[in-house]
Amino acid sequence: GENVEQHPSTLSVQEGDSAVIKCTYSDSASNYFPWYKQELGKGPQLIIDIRSNVGEKKDQRIAVTLNKTAKHFSLHITETQPEDSAVYFCAAPNYGGSQGNLIFGKGTKLSVKP
Amino acid sequence: EPEVTQTPSHQVTQMGQEVILRCVPISNHLYFYWYRQILGQKVEFLVSFYNNEISEKSEIFDDQFSVERPDGSNFTLKIRSTKLEDSAMYFCASSETTGLVGYTFGSGTRLTVV
Repeated sequence: GENVEQHPSTLSVQEGDSAVIKCTYSDSASNYFPWYKQELGKGPQLIIDIRSNVGEKKDQRIAVTLNKTAKHFSLHITETQPEDSAVYFCAAPNYGGSQGNLIFGKGTKLSVKP
Repeated sequence: EPEVTQTPSHQVTQMGQEVILRCVPISNHLYFYWYRQILGQKVEFLVSFYNNEISEKSEIFDDQFSVERPDGSNFTLKIRSTKLEDSAMYFCASSETTGLVGYTFGSGTRLTVV
C-alpha cells in the first residue's frame, strides 16, 4: 500500500517569507496529490491538488510541484501571512479497495510570525 | 459552498458505552468515508462506503465499529463498548465520484472517552 512521508514536522517563518513543505510517496501508480490545511478545531480543508500528468500547479500564493520520477511533491506558499498559520497535510491515494482512500502525511505545523 | 455537517461537535462518554457519530454528506455525493485523528497525529482512514455497503476498511475498523446510512441523508459511525484509546477527532468525508477528487471533510466530532 501507499506510504507518505512529510517534512518538516514544524516550520516557523517570518511574515512575507516563503514556506516549503515536502512529501514523498511510495506507490508509483499514485496519480492524485492533494494538500489540506487544518486550522485548530476544524476539519482538513483542501487548498490545492495536482494530478500526475502535470508538474506544477499554482493558485495565487500557493503552488504545488510534482516530481514523478523521484516520487515527491511539494507545497510552496509565498508571501506568507499570519492567517497561513495552521497544520498542513499532504496526501496520496490508496487504491487498495474499489473506492480508494487517502493516505495522509504526519502534518507540518506552520507558524507565520508577524 | 456545500458542506459536510457533523454532529455532535464534542461527545464525552464513559468507557464501555456506545456512541453514534452523525454526518450529513453533501447532497449529490455518493461516496462516504470516516477518518480518525488522534490528538497531534495524522489523519487515518477508517472506512469507505458506497451503495449502502462498505467498500473498504482499515485495520483500525474492527468489530467494535459499524457504519450505516439509515436514511437518504445521514451517514453514521457507531462505536460499541468505547475504550480510552478511541478518544480522537472523527471526520466524515464525502465525494461525488471515485478517484478522491472533490473530497470534502466535515469539521469533525471530538470524542472523549473517560
